Amino acid sequence: ETGVTQTPRHLVMGMTNKKSLKCEQHLGHNAMYWYKQSAKKPLELMFVYNFKEQTENNSVPSRFSPECPNSSHLFLHLHTLQPEDSALYLCASSQGEWLAGGRPDTQYFGPGTRLTVL
Amino acid sequence: DQQVKQNSPSLSVQEGRISILNCDYTNSMFDYFLWYKKYPAEGPTFLISISSIKDKNEDGRFTVFLNKSAKHLSLHIVPSQPGDSAVYFCAASAVRGGSNYKLTFGKGTLLTVNP
Repeated sequence: ETGVTQTPRHLVMGMTNKKSLKCEQHLGHNAMYWYKQSAKKPLELMFVYNFKEQTENNSVPSRFSPECPNSSHLFLHLHTLQPEDSALYLCASSQGEWLAGGRPDTQYFGPGTRLTVL
Repeated sequence: DQQVKQNSPSLSVQEGRISILNCDYTNSMFDYFLWYKKYPAEGPTFLISISSIKDKNEDGRFTVFLNKSAKHLSLHIVPSQPGDSAVYFCAASAVRGGSNYKLTFGKGTLLTVNP
């Protein structure tokens, strides 16, 4: 496997279910991200991890719970979701060199998980 | 309030002609701009970027122009090819503000290049 992989690619779940999205990067990066893309909306940053530490939580509801056990893996645990949470969930990774004044850290995206909440 | 706007949801161009995708931003703290390209069933891939200290950056068929006073940037693709058909996202970052990692995206423009 190369690049950033995400599983599953499609997920349908009920509002009472608990499921997890998985992301794995094979690029030797230190930073990982979760984004949400809803229909007709821009990509929204949800969480950022740098060297396994969460550095950003963009006011995400607690029914979304991220986990980063190491720099290569990122999970998004889902429970008691709402239909409006249906969206494409994208994972990304980057080098993680966030020095002030430097250039942005190019992010590499996975193919996404298409989530439908019934 | 959207800080990065791509006002054209779609654009259709003939093969061999120029494609011009536009992007406007409102946050004056943004100092680095990126374009990503996304094919169906794939994640976005980085295409080209520009720093606010420049007004033009070129990479092969792709050129990005930045007009800071107008808070406007555009991506030119010349000549356009059918394989360029994809959704193009404009993104911005406030690098000097220390947020190298934080990208604010537009909604995207679907480019269709007709043979």
